[in-house]
Amino acid sequence: SQTIHQWPATLVQPVGSPLSLECTVEGTSNPNLYWYRQAAGRGLQLLFYSVGIGQISSEVPQNLSASRPQDRQFILSSKKLLLSDSGFYLCAWSPYTREETQYFGPGTRLLVL
Amino acid sequence: GDSVTQMEGPVTLSEEAFLTINCTYTATGYPSLFWYVQYPGEGLQLLLKATKADDKGSNKGFEATYRKETTSFHLEKGSVQVSDSAVYFCGFVLETSGSRLTFGEGTQLTVNP
Repeated sequence: SQTIHQWPATLVQPVGSPLSLECTVEGTSNPNLYWYRQAAGRGLQLLFYSVGIGQISSEVPQNLSASRPQDRQFILSSKKLLLSDSGFYLCAWSPYTREETQYFGPGTRLLVL
Repeated sequence: GDSVTQMEGPVTLSEEAFLTINCTYTATGYPSLFWYVQYPGEGLQLLLKATKADDKGSNKGFEATYRKETTSFHLEKGSVQVSDSAVYFCGFVLETSGSRLTFGEGTQLTVNP
């Protein structure tokens, strides 16, 4: 069966510090991968998605970047965090086929102080 | 543009009450429709889905019917439980979007004993 992991679960970082959040998927090949952000009390915003290694599409301009160095690894990064980067970050995957259901990881709660 | 409008929360009900959470969508195409649920502190889980008009998705006592004529996918449950307390997200995927989900803002449901 397929599983998706995210770490860390919780992170507190000072403004201006770098960020690296990792997401890995097991039990599948060639997944589509997604990063979402959920700000406090708000809905989900798609940040990035990837259909293959090195292929990243950005949905909104922002202080963040994403990379996919391996087929089942998706990394969310920032060089300098802003207060507004605080939120709950969710990674998700969907099969490479036309199956449209997305499967979400447990999330990383980021607090920038 | 493409969007999802959900009933604003928070919604507070007593146990065994009837639940309806309204969801309407605007999409340039023929979407597949989803409801996801987020329990406190967790990631999102797929609750149910429907892929064509008049389909009814159901799971855990929840139901939603794909109404193309009204572009709606309202979530219903006949008798809610305290364990149903969560945030509910309506969303859709367009065939042309590469499995990217467009979400509504989410509706917080609290069920009191």
